[in-house]
Amino acid sequence: AQKITQTQPGMFVQEKEAVTLDCTYDTSDQSYGLFWYKQPSSGEMIFLIYQGSYDEQNATEGRYSLNFQKARKSANLVISASQLGDSAMYFCAMREGLSGSARQLTFGSGTQLTVLP
Amino acid sequence: GAVVSQHPSRVICKSGTSVKIECRSLDFQATTMFWYRQFPKQSLMLMATSNEGSKATYEQGVEKDKFLINHASLTLSTLTVTSAHPEDSSFYICSARGPGQGNTIYFGEGSWLTVV
Repeated sequence: AQKITQTQPGMFVQEKEAVTLDCTYDTSDQSYGLFWYKQPSSGEMIFLIYQGSYDEQNATEGRYSLNFQKARKSANLVISASQLGDSAMYFCAMREGLSGSARQLTFGSGTQLTVLP
Repeated sequence: GAVVSQHPSRVICKSGTSVKIECRSLDFQATTMFWYRQFPKQSLMLMATSNEGSKATYEQGVEKDKFLINHASLTLSTLTVTSAHPEDSSFYICSARGPGQGNTIYFGEGSWLTVV
């Protein structure tokens, strides 16, 4: 079974509007971490936001917020006030195990976001 | 903040030759680094976990004799693609857990390998 599922291969959003990128995950671990990365066409992976499984508050980082619904096992990324520079591939990822563990990340298939002027 | 640097960013090599890609943690020590491979329009697939001072752990289906990983120091891991073939052409990217609480995983810039 897929551990990380991103059901939106592509998304379009008008500049200055908000957009939600979906991510659901599957794990039997009680401790895990959820990450979102942005990958522009250059290939680099840019860390956006992190949510720990025990964090009670939704993570926020500037225009990025993570809508964490633990019971539904979803960790959607919300980008507010979209900018043209936000156009990129976005990956949701999960690290199973305790924070600080050396476990690898498992990635979803990604969502290609295009911001329209 | 913590930085992971990868070199070279782009490399073209002839079929049958070997090419080495370096991954360095610039301002922190990384006992564990991860190597991923990414085909166009696809997700990142973990190839192996690089452990300082010991053998790498390879994912199922990854040829350890073809993709040699050496993690000789706390700040450097190398991936050597041996006897490269055109089908090895891909984007290779490394990552390391950041210092401190280590919630953040940092990635290198990635390396585009083209085998001709």
